[in-house]
Amino acid sequence: KAGVTQTPRYLIKTRGQQVTLSCSPISGHRSVSWYQQTPGQGLQFLFEYFSETQRNKGNFPGRFSGRQFSNSRSEMNVSTLELGDSALYLCASSLRQSNTEAFFGQGTRLTVV
Amino acid sequence: AQSVTQLDSQVPVFEEAPVELRCNYSSSVSVYLFWYVQYPNQGLQLLLKYLSGSTLVKGINGFEAEFNKSQTSFHLRKPSVHISDTAEYFCAVSEGSGTYKYIFGTGTRLKVLA
Repeated sequence: KAGVTQTPRYLIKTRGQQVTLSCSPISGHRSVSWYQQTPGQGLQFLFEYFSETQRNKGNFPGRFSGRQFSNSRSEMNVSTLELGDSALYLCASSLRQSNTEAFFGQGTRLTVV
Repeated sequence: AQSVTQLDSQVPVFEEAPVELRCNYSSSVSVYLFWYVQYPNQGLQLLLKYLSGSTLVKGINGFEAEFNKSQTSFHLRKPSVHISDTAEYFCAVSEGSGTYKYIFGTGTRLKVLA
């Protein structure tokens, strides 16, 4: 069974640009969550999607957005990139039932220069 | 608001020695608790979880954790560590089933020495 796939693995962007990251969940999983990991702030929750609807949102500015498609694949977008957006972005998928866990992808490392 | 505290940022330990990684949480409601491990340049892998029932939870790779409601703790233990256990360990809390909004601790870097 394939795991959570995030593309691309590495990305370098310039300040002011925008970026789109992709996440393909495990087959059959309908919930996708996104996290930002930085050395200074650690792991912070960005948002959670289930059945194409955002169910939870973390404390991030509106430059961070996401969506989920009918096949459960998800994308997140960051507009007007800032140096501080450099981070490892992790996606996690789950069945969205009790007693299940979130399975994480390997992440996309975004560097803003 | 929920929060998770991992007091030790780094824990060095010799191979085959026991280890305990500490985690305390604060929440006004019932919580689900998790320990994840992260190897370099990798995502997070679940070690174990506490949802309900027995307060002693056994996970993969010989790890276990004990949920202590009165002390709001969920410490991770392993009786004998291996070099391959060198990694970063994260404690996380979630307030309810069906949501995967985790609040993570700042992580503990476990370094196993030969």
